[in-house]
Amino acid sequence: KAGVTQTPRYLIKTRGQQVTLSCSPISGHRSVSWYQQTPGQGLQFLFEYFSETQRNKGNFPGRFSGRQFSNSRSEMNVSTLELGDSALYLCASSIAGGSGYEQYFGPGTRLTVT
Amino acid sequence: GESVGLHLPTLSVQEGDNSIINCAYSNSASDYFIWYKQESGKGPQFIIDIRSNMDKRQGQRVTVLLNKTVKHLSLQIAATQPGDSAVYFCADVMTGNQFYFGTGTSLTVIP
Repeated sequence: KAGVTQTPRYLIKTRGQQVTLSCSPISGHRSVSWYQQTPGQGLQFLFEYFSETQRNKGNFPGRFSGRQFSNSRSEMNVSTLELGDSALYLCASSIAGGSGYEQYFGPGTRLTVT
Repeated sequence: GESVGLHLPTLSVQEGDNSIINCAYSNSASDYFIWYKQESGKGPQFIIDIRSNMDKRQGQRVTVLLNKTVKHLSLQIAATQPGDSAVYFCADVMTGNQFYFGTGTSLTVIP
């Protein structure tokens, strides 16, 4: 079974631009969560989608948004990029999300904002 | 807000020794805890989990201990191998299905 895939793997953007990241979950998984990973803050939860609906949201500004399609693939968008948005963005899929359901992480998208 | 921290940012152990990685959490409402391993260039990988109604759970070479009284979680790795070198995260899951991760402990196994 193929794992979680994320595209692109690396991205360089300029301040003020916007970016879209993509995540394809494991086949059959309906929950997709997004995380931001930085050396100082560790992994921080952005949001979770389940059956095309945002079910949970972390404490990030409205510049961070996402969506999920009917095939469970998910995209994450960051508008008006700031230098502090440079991070590894990870997505994780699980069958149903929440406690008791193992999350499988993708390799991440490394975003650098200059 | 929720905070999940690890006691040591780095840990070095001799190959064959046992490793213990500790984690503290702050919210009594957390009901599910997970340990992840992250190797360089990869996403976190599930190691073992434990529910709040348990004190101990064992897997293959790994044991997780949960002390709810002091809100402390530990991961024990038996007979540590070079392939165990990675960053280890604890995470807790509260009602609402939000995962909170610590900043990680970097484990280095010395051959």
